[in-house]
Order: sequence, then structure tokens, then C-alpha cells
Amino acid sequence: GAVVSQHPSRVICKSGTSVKIECRSLDFQATTMFWYRQFPKQSLMLMATSNEGSKATYEQGVEKDKFLINHASLTLSTLTVTSAHPEDSSFYICSAIQTTGTSGRESYNEQFFGPGTRLTVL
Amino acid sequence: AQKITQTQPGMFVQEKEAVTLDCTYDTSDPSYGLFWYKQPSSGEMIFLIYQGSYDQQNATEGRYSLNFQKARKSANLVISASQLGDSAMYFCAMRERAQGGKLIFGQGTELSVKP
Repeated sequence: GAVVSQHPSRVICKSGTSVKIECRSLDFQATTMFWYRQFPKQSLMLMATSNEGSKATYEQGVEKDKFLINHASLTLSTLTVTSAHPEDSSFYICSAIQTTGTSGRESYNEQFFGPGTRLTVL
Repeated sequence: AQKITQTQPGMFVQEKEAVTLDCTYDTSDPSYGLFWYKQPSSGEMIFLIYQGSYDQQNATEGRYSLNFQKARKSANLVISASQLGDSAMYFCAMRERAQGGKLIFGQGTELSVKP
């Protein structure tokens, strides 16, 4: 399957600093990427949908000014956690959609996940 | 209302036995897809199996099969011949056509395979 990378895999930062996480589709173009957040032993919660060349669509309850998303190219989306605080410590996972074709009513959109970024804010 | 429900926070299974992980869903969209993912302790999301709402037959992928009961809105994952490496978190997810490609995940089930 297609490969999605995330960088960095782990980051530790001080409270009040900003952290940028990159999500790249390595061998395909992704017009749509998603950002998820996962606390320990919990499910993945969708934070926002990132569309190339347009503003991200945030889920209800997600602060758009705190979690800045930029999707400047078809292979790169970035999530910047601004003025990070300890409660922002979490596992952040991105995913990218590759449309592989259509058949009848279904379009086959395969979604590939990055390996995740573990953020720790001290 | 919860769209995807996994009611088993934790499950144990003996090695080489089969196990069923439950998943129910709620949607009014006639076109949707159901997914199962495995997440080991490393955190990566591993795609296991997919079932489309219009698929007539239950999906199978190797040792994984999906027991799709559309009228009951359930999509249980069956793992046959469990292996120690199957110990992980398992997530059921749904994608509704009207919502584009975004996935909504269930709470997850932690599966432990005993030797």
C-alpha cells in the first residue's frame, strides 16, 4: 500500500512553545488529509480535515487558532500546535486519502495512516 | 449519539482459538463503509478489512472476516486461529459517503492472546 510519513515521531517541548508536525504522502498525491488525536487507551478523535489549497475544516470543539493546519501541496500537510500546554500532550496521527478508482456507486478511496507523533509538553 | 460502538473494552482469547470483536453502528446514509484497524503498542494503524454497505457478501482477508449484519447494523470482526502477535487494540470505524472520506472510530477493544 501507499506510504504516509510523519515527522517527528516524538517531540518533547516546554509549555508555551509551538510545535509543528509534518504529514507526507510519499508515493501518491493526497488532496485530502486528516488529523486525529489519541489519548492513552482511548480512541482516535478526528480533529480536522485538511484539503490542499483551501482552509481546513475543523471538528466541533477543536480550536482552530490553537491547532493550525496547512496543506500547501498535494503531498504535505502540517499541524502546528501553538502555545502548547501539558494538556495538549497526546498522540497525533495523520491519514491521507488516495482515490484508486470508481465502480458504480462506490469510489474506492483508500486511506493510509502515518505512524503517529507522540507530543509531550512539559 | 454514538455512531460507532464497541462494547468490549478488553477481550482475552487462547492462542489458536477464534475470537469475535463486536461493533455496532448508526447511520442514515445508505452508502457507507465499515473498517477494522489493528493498533499495536507502537501506535501505527494497520488496516485489516473493509465492508461496503452495498456489498452482498461478508468480507474476508486471510484470518480476518467481517460478520456484516446490515439490518442489525453490526459489523463484528472474527479472527480465526489467534496468534500471540494479534494482541493489540482493535478499532472499528465507519465512513459515510455524505461525510467525504473521514472516519469515525469506535472506542476500541484491547485483545490479549494467551499462550
